Amino acid sequence: QVHLLQSGSEVKRPGASVRISCRTSGYSLTTYFMQWVRQAPGQGLEYIGTIHSTGGSMVYAQRFRGSVTMDRDGDTSTPTFYLDLSGLKSEDTAVYYCAILAGPASSLDYWGQGTLVTVSS
Amino acid sequence: EIVLTQSPGTLSLSPGERATLSCRSSQSLSTSNFAWYQQRPGQAPRLLIYSASNRASGIPDRFSGSGSGTDFTLTINRLEPEDVAVYYCHQYDTSPRTFGQGTKVEIK
Repeated sequence: QVHLLQSGSEVKRPGASVRISCRTSGYSLTTYFMQWVRQAPGQGLEYIGTIHSTGGSMVYAQRFRGSVTMDRDGDTSTPTFYLDLSGLKSEDTAVYYCAILAGPASSLDYWGQGTLVTVSS
Repeated sequence: EIVLTQSPGTLSLSPGERATLSCRSSQSLSTSNFAWYQQRPGQAPRLLIYSASNRASGIPDRFSGSGSGTDFTLTINRLEPEDVAVYYCHQYDTSPRTFGQGTKVEIK
């Protein structure tokens, strides 16, 4: 069983930056893709981007390019993933999830517990 | 990017009834690359259906998915109180992945 443990809640001022971490543990997957998804209060799910478990490839949703950076480090079996958000605005207030989602030829489904980022002056 | 439009926005039904949720894609999708997620209040989403019609591990057979191309359906038979949730469709056929806006299922 794969576990994804995310860092705790953050409160930031507009214009600030924040780093969210997602630590993997449990059963070791060989290779996989880690997605980041956010959910504003009372709103739906919004895809941010995908990073390969090796860090070798990344895809960002267009609206997040330039304001979001994904990264990973640690050993190959249980890496830690990061989501860096810069130039925060009030509309970035949301719960941010790391998740290993179903994909072509895959029915994996693992989610972190979510990290609430509140942007307020 | 591909836009997924779900209908209805809210579905209010009695226990034991059947719920039919729809998702329409702005572009034709490969059936293999479409999923449904359930998000109960206060919880992270969980996978219900992948590849349009395959139930994920541990999902009751009351849940079924169908459809192809641009039109997909999630059916929940014999609605139970635990099915109260928001249901999202999701495509991973074309990058970037996208989600529908969600359908809220309520119990009368």
